Amino acid sequence: DGGITQSPKYLFRKEGQNVTLSCEQNLNHDAMYWYRQDPGQGLRLIYYSQIVNDFQKGDIAEGYSVSREKKESFPLTVTSAQKNPTAFYLCASSRPDRGLSEQYFGPGTRLTVT
Amino acid sequence: AQSVTQLGSHVSVSEGALVLLRCNYSSSVPPYLFWYVQYPNQGLQLLLKYTTGATLVKGINGFEAEFKKSETSFHLTKPSAHMSDAAEYFCAVRALQGAQKLVFGQGTRLTINP
Repeated sequence: DGGITQSPKYLFRKEGQNVTLSCEQNLNHDAMYWYRQDPGQGLRLIYYSQIVNDFQKGDIAEGYSVSREKKESFPLTVTSAQKNPTAFYLCASSRPDRGLSEQYFGPGTRLTVT
Repeated sequence: AQSVTQLGSHVSVSEGALVLLRCNYSSSVPPYLFWYVQYPNQGLQLLLKYTTGATLVKGINGFEAEFKKSETSFHLTKPSAHMSDAAEYFCAVRALQGAQKLVFGQGTRLTINP
């Protein structure tokens, strides 16, 4: 079955450490996205990539970095510069824009930094 | 720029009653509109979407939504609530052209009372 895999489901880190969240998709989608979800705030876009080797900042990119070396993979690094990293992180992907494509979401990674 | 407002962060209905979740959007160009559902600690699942054509859109699990351009609304309804409908619901909008970025509302948590 095609889908999006995020690992791990739960992640714990100490303050000051960088941490990388994995996102893999086998849907053959060109576009991939990272969102952050906090209670009562909906989803906010961190970074997105419309094609391999290219990505753009979303609304809350500070303290995060990404890479897109392969079509299937879009890892997100939460750096020590991110002031409040504890959150639920969701990865999504979508087909090339034919005007009808929706985003498909992974199961999410809950990151706790203490 | 697009924005979404979901009226009511928490809605509670009795089992068998009508479900109405409200969504108003702001967009300077014709929008694409989406409703997603999220169960606890999971990713988002698409319920339905409006792109073009018929303004009454039917989705999964008996949900439907009507695009009303004059009211800039895309409210989600279901005639008879089921216990399994308890979840968080997100309305989202994206522009017809440009990057496939979605802008999400704050979410509405639906509780079903037995």
